[in-house]
Formats: sequence, structure tokens, C-alpha cells
Amino acid sequence: DAKTTQPPSMDCAEGRAANLPCNHSTISGNEYVYWYRQIHSQGPQYIIHGLKNNETNEMASLIITEDRKSSTLILPHATLRDTAVYYCIVRGPYAGGATNKLIFGTGTLLAVQP
Amino acid sequence: EAQVTQNPRYLITVTGKKLTVTCSQNMNHEYMSWYRQDPGLGLRQIYYSMNVEVTDKGDVPEGYKVSRKEKRNFPLILESPSPNQTSLYFCASSFADGYYGYTFGSGTRLTVV
Repeated sequence: DAKTTQPPSMDCAEGRAANLPCNHSTISGNEYVYWYRQIHSQGPQYIIHGLKNNETNEMASLIITEDRKSSTLILPHATLRDTAVYYCIVRGPYAGGATNKLIFGTGTLLAVQP
Repeated sequence: EAQVTQNPRYLITVTGKKLTVTCSQNMNHEYMSWYRQDPGLGLRQIYYSMNVEVTDKGDVPEGYKVSRKEKRNFPLILESPSPNQTSLYFCASSFADGYYGYTFGSGTRLTVV
């Protein structure tokens, strides 16, 4: 699976959009981009995933560049409860066994400020 | 509510005293997995199970056992805990291909003294 690079930390003002970048320059054509977040010592929480089209759900939007070498997770109106570590994970399609595994990096600590 | 339930949330034990951390999911997921999280090392997979009676080692399986006798349950067993197994443990489940993401439990903080 491709390696990802994220900034170690970011700040965002409450009520503003939080834009979290992720670089995955070695991503393969069939690999997906997944985002999870972990609020202090709680279990990671799935947010969104995509292949090449932009995706939106009730939690966030995912923008993937046309060359697929980077992506941005957007939290449209950040709240204090969005303070967490956000993980960008690239994962290939399921091919049995251990290919289901998620490999977590160090993520981005997003601090939402009042 | 769809969820993964781990018990206990906190556990302090002594070296060598066998313990079991339970994990149960109510989503009919085929895939279940255990991770441990340590400062500076992130989340690492211990064991996983693709379905009933099918388990396999993850990246850090030493000192742990698992079983999958029922689809909903995937207990983590420490036969002889040691201080280096002090960690935060998470159970996770998903459909077989993981396409729709994993659901994680709330975690078990284990301290071995």
C-alpha cells in the first residue's frame, strides 16, 4: 500500500472549515484513500473514503486531485468536538487475507480553537 | 445501535496472571481484528480473523492468542502477561473486504505490573 504524508498538527477556528491535506504520490490506480479520526484515546472512527471522484457525506468532504497524488479532507464547520488525530490511509482493493489490514501512520492532530 | 463492544475498559493486572479481553460486534461482520496502540509506535495489528475458525497473525502477535468460535465474538487472550504488554487495545470489525471501513471498539487500557 502507498505511503502517506500528513502535517503533524494544524489549528482551526471553531465554525470555520478545516482543510486537512494528505500526500500519497505513490498511490496506485486501484488504491483507495480512507480517512479516520481518533478523539483522545477513543477508538478510531471511519470518516470517508474515495477512489478518484470527490466524495461527501454527513461528516466531511473528500477532495482528490486529478492525478490522485494528494487529497484534502474538509470539515465544513469545525467544532471543538472535532479536535482529534486525523489519519489518511491508502489501501488497495481487497484481495483476501491480510489485504484488509489498515496501516495507520502518525496522522494530523487537528486542534479546533474557540 | 451498530457497535463493537470491548470489556473491560480498564484493567490492571500482575505479571503472569492470565487474562481475556472480550470483543463483540452486532453487525454480522466477517472480519475482526485486534490492534494495540503505544506512544510513538501508533496502531499495530496483533491478530485478525476473516471468519469463524479462521484467524491469522498480524504484525505483533507474540504473547497473544485469539479465537473465533462465533461470528460476533473475538476475544484476545494474554496467557502470561508481561509489562511490555501494557498498552491501549482496540478491537475492530468490518465486512470481509473492508470497503465501508472498520468499526472500532472504545478501547481497553491494560496495565501489567
